[in-house]
Amino acid sequence: DAKTTQPTSMDCAEGRAANLPCNHSTISGNEYVYWYRQIHSQGPQYIIHGLKNNETNEMASLIITEDRKSSTLILPHATLRDTAVYYCIVRPINDYKLSFGAGTTVTVRA
Amino acid sequence: DAGVIQSPRHEVTEMGQEVTLRCKPISGHDYLFWYRQTMMRGLELLIYFNNNVPIDDSGMPEDRFSAKMPNASFSTLKIQPSEPRDSAVYFCASSSQLAGERADTQYFGPGTRLTVL
Repeated sequence: DAKTTQPTSMDCAEGRAANLPCNHSTISGNEYVYWYRQIHSQGPQYIIHGLKNNETNEMASLIITEDRKSSTLILPHATLRDTAVYYCIVRPINDYKLSFGAGTTVTVRA
Repeated sequence: DAGVIQSPRHEVTEMGQEVTLRCKPISGHDYLFWYRQTMMRGLELLIYFNNNVPIDDSGMPEDRFSAKMPNASFSTLKIQPSEPRDSAVYFCASSSQLAGERADTQYFGPGTRLTVL
């Protein structure tokens, strides 16, 4: 019972913004949206998370729709090193487990 | 900070042998997680600890798997006896409940690639 739906793969041009969509139509009010990524042969890496408001950090921006049923991760200037599998995860506030789905394989092309 | 440290990075063993994977969490973190990643099943949570106490082991596949955390800076995942289907990459992660920007975010180690022949 996947809580999130993501496209299987997407390509992005180097230097351009990458917009990664995620649907989480059954999200409840006490669940965060988390994004992690996994570069080949490495452990997953935290990117960003949010509850209701849009968030921005040094890596990315997270845009959450007003109804919270979907979100978009934005990598503002994609580089070749951003090629990875990106996971969108919904996680209850009081539960520390992360359930990883299949994610989106993002390939940044020169 | 050195990050989460796992050893060994690669392990090749024969079916029936005991395998022990080790993890050193980030200093000061009070949560520790063990995950397994395979092509077929993706990344699965096996067990997690809080303050060295196992909280949820519902992801442990069977009795052949056991995990311990004798102190705040060390954890082991043991498989006895090992089987070919246990071949996977095993990740350890840690997190902290201290308030702050990255509160409760999991930091992953580099993983141990296990091959059981």
